[in-house]
Amino acid sequence: QSVLTQPPSASGTPGQRVTFSCSGSTSNIGSNSVHWYQQFPGTAPKLLIYRDNQRPSGVPDRFSGSKSGTSASLAISGLQSEDEADYYCAAWDDSLTWLFGGGTKLTVL
Amino acid sequence: QVQLQESGPGLVKPSQTLSLTCAISGDSVSSKSAAWNWIRQSPSRGLEWLGRTYYRSKWSNNYAVSVKSRITIKPDTSKNQFSLQLNSMTPEDTAVYYCTRSGDLGVLDYWGQGALVTVSS
Repeated sequence: QSVLTQPPSASGTPGQRVTFSCSGSTSNIGSNSVHWYQQFPGTAPKLLIYRDNQRPSGVPDRFSGSKSGTSASLAISGLQSEDEADYYCAAWDDSLTWLFGGGTKLTVL
Repeated sequence: QVQLQESGPGLVKPSQTLSLTCAISGDSVSSKSAAWNWIRQSPSRGLEWLGRTYYRSKWSNNYAVSVKSRITIKPDTSKNQFSLQLNSMTPEDTAVYYCTRSGDLGVLDYWGQGALVTVSS
């Protein structure tokens, strides 16, 4: 069981806005940055959002992140079929451990 | 551009030791602003961080509690790579193993392509 909690699935239609939640505790999300990864089958996770709300170069501004207290969210606006993937949150824990969420599988209907 | 490449056996017998290597290009294993991590992923356990090695004024390691008794991560400065050794393998250790970097932004920013390791007799 993952220490960071994510809903297992989400869905939306093209053009919609979808959000993913990630819940942790004071020792991880509450005191450290949250990062988000996108993963397609058979490939390594790709960094999508870092330090709560920063986008690496090349990531479209349709992707955005936010954090409040011990929870964080990833939003995708203008949903596209190629956004269908698994999305993971991650955070450093004060116990000197990287933690991950269990992932949310996004289906574009 | 940093690139990481895992190498090692794809099949390990139960009770044996897994040894994987991660070759680094575009950065140095001795960088004082980076840490070098091993992460694995399986359907049953999801993404699981195993541990890291890093150099500041000396070499240090941190390991996940779940594997602390049987894991070693070591740098190899002569080859600019780092390795994972995981003892007493069981079928539950079957997973894709990734090597990753965490840089000065404090995020796991570069990942290898992953190496599938199956534990079976």
